[in-house]
Amino acid sequence: KAGVTQTPRYLIKTRGQQVTLSCSPISGHRSVSWYQQTPGQGLQFLFEYFSETQRNKGNFPGRFSGRQFSNSRSEMNVSTLELGDSALYLCASSLMTSGGYNEQFFGPGTRLTVL
Amino acid sequence: QQQVKQSPQSLIVQKGGISIINCAYENTAFDYFPWYQQFPGKGPALLIAIRPDVSEKKEGRFTISFNKSAKQFSLHIMDSQPGDSATYFCAATHAGNMLTFGGGTRLMVKP
Repeated sequence: KAGVTQTPRYLIKTRGQQVTLSCSPISGHRSVSWYQQTPGQGLQFLFEYFSETQRNKGNFPGRFSGRQFSNSRSEMNVSTLELGDSALYLCASSLMTSGGYNEQFFGPGTRLTVL
Repeated sequence: QQQVKQSPQSLIVQKGGISIINCAYENTAFDYFPWYQQFPGKGPALLIAIRPDVSEKKEGRFTISFNKSAKQFSLHIMDSQPGDSATYFCAATHAGNMLTFGGGTRLMVKP
């Protein structure tokens, strides 16, 4: 079974630009969550989508947004990029959105560098 | 507000030794506590997880100890191996997929 795939793996942008990252969950998984990983702030939850609906949202500004398609694939968008947005963006998929041991499987991440 | 505090930030252990990583949480609503292992260039991978109605869970060389009254839990890696060298994250969540992570522990196992 293929794992979580994220594209692109590496991205370089300049301040003020916008970026779209893509995530394909494990086949059959309906929940997709996004996390930001930085050396200073660690791993922080961005948002979760389940059945094309945003279920939870972390404490990030409105410049960060996402969506999920009917095939469970998800995209996240960051507008008006700032230097502090440089990070590893991780996508995780799981079968359900709540209840029981709900293992989340992480992709390899997209490394975003903002110059 | 950091709701899950993890220590130490880095740990060096000799091969065959015991690695111990500790976490403390604040939110008593948390009901699922997973540990993740991350190698460079990879995403985190679930290692072992526990719910608060159990005080200990063991899977192979990995054991979670959970103290609900103290709001603390720890990961013990027995017979540590160089291949265990990675960054370990504790996490917690309440009835969902919104994981709150600890700051991470970089473990190095010396041969």
